[in-house]
Amino acid sequence: GDSVTQMEGPVTLSEEAFLTINCTYTATGYPSLFWYVQYPGEGLQLLLKATKADDKGSNKGFEATYRKETTSFHLEKGSVQVSDSAVYFCAPVKSGTYKYIFGTGTRLKVLA
Amino acid sequence: EAGVAQSPRYKIIEKRQSVAFWCNPISGHATLYWYQQILGQGPKLLIQFQNNGVVDDSQLPKDRFSAERLKGVDSTLKIQPAKLEDSAVYLCASSSKRDTSSYNSPLHFGNGTRLTVT
Repeated sequence: GDSVTQMEGPVTLSEEAFLTINCTYTATGYPSLFWYVQYPGEGLQLLLKATKADDKGSNKGFEATYRKETTSFHLEKGSVQVSDSAVYFCAPVKSGTYKYIFGTGTRLKVLA
Repeated sequence: EAGVAQSPRYKIIEKRQSVAFWCNPISGHATLYWYQQILGQGPKLLIQFQNNGVVDDSQLPKDRFSAERLKGVDSTLKIQPAKLEDSAVYLCASSSKRDTSSYNSPLHFGNGTRLTVT
């Protein structure tokens, strides 16, 4: 069945370090790909998305590129801040449906 | 625009008791979801409504969980009787559906209800 795999956390970085959170998926068809972020005590919120191959989603300094050939959607940021500390979820949406497939999440801790 | 509203924020009950959660989606959003998020895991879909009809409830434990969406707007999720393993955060989300290309519409989540069953 369709699934998504994220790198395990927690990921602990110093402020201004480079961030990569890996995400790979298996899905039939061509899913849309999303990254959601969950700050402490809050619900999930959309961080960025890409809807077709080679699309790059970006927001708040974060980027991710839809790589169809490797079925990946890795999240990157050039310089993290303490305020980026949160849990990040990769979530493909099964093609032609509204069915999101959430990963287990990757907790990021950024130290000042 | 106002976000997705959920209540209560926290609830503590004993096993075998019943509990209900309420959700008010963003105005005009036709699709409403209930997710269960167990600590350390990603959200798991319990039920999806399109207006007031159920689209997907395949992962809803129907012997103890029930949900309804009144007049295609507010929704209530109920657990009766609760078990220890129901301890989790229950998230409500909504999304708009204006046309068939809106599968890319993002989900808008509420802050969730944290349920503790003792």
